[in-house]
Amino acid sequence: KNEVEQSPQNLTAQEGEFITINCSYSVGISALHWLQQHPGGGIVSLFMLSSGKKKHGRLIATINIQEKHSSLHITASHPRDSAVYICAVGKGGSEKLVFGKGTKLTVNP
Amino acid sequence: ETGVTQSPTHLIKTRGQQVTLRCSSQSGHNTVSWYQQALGQGPQFIFQYYREEENGRGNFPPRFSGLQFPNYSSELNVNALELDDSALYLCASSPRQDLYGYTFGSGTRLTVV
Repeated sequence: KNEVEQSPQNLTAQEGEFITINCSYSVGISALHWLQQHPGGGIVSLFMLSSGKKKHGRLIATINIQEKHSSLHITASHPRDSAVYICAVGKGGSEKLVFGKGTKLTVNP
Repeated sequence: ETGVTQSPTHLIKTRGQQVTLRCSSQSGHNTVSWYQQALGQGPQFIFQYYREEENGRGNFPPRFSGLQFPNYSSELNVNALELDDSALYLCASSPRQDLYGYTFGSGTRLTVV
């Protein structure tokens, strides 16, 4: 079993829909990252959080440390949101991030 | 200079050859990490360099090696290339070892034929 599991693997939505992507992890962490990867490969960091909730524009990320679960929400989705969204965790005292396999989101106009 | 820059963006090599990938860290960042991302998979940690010293290594063979220079730029070297080395190689820099403020490059797409 992977240390970081994401669901769903693939998600197709219509423009304007509310999107939720889930991430569960099985190890103790110091922080959780949500990342966005476009087809060209470059990764953009969206959020880093260790507790509670963060909001940036139409994006909201939440984390529940006790349940070892995080969600990424996109409100009023738009075709330009189409990308792979990746959850990654930094383990306490570790030098590396452990990544989930990603959720491929396609938003149709 | 802002952002993390990787070069080249794409590369095709023959099995058995050697390759060097380069990464320029974001200004002020003294830590650089390298990741390998196979198609359809999440990135896998190769190693990290902090102030020119290797600071941790993932499950990769010794033919994967690296360097970090005094200006904190970095190289990833892979010897004796194998077909399975075909992947996107990502570099990420951060201002300190605890992964706070990670900034990723756009990656180098390596194809081994």
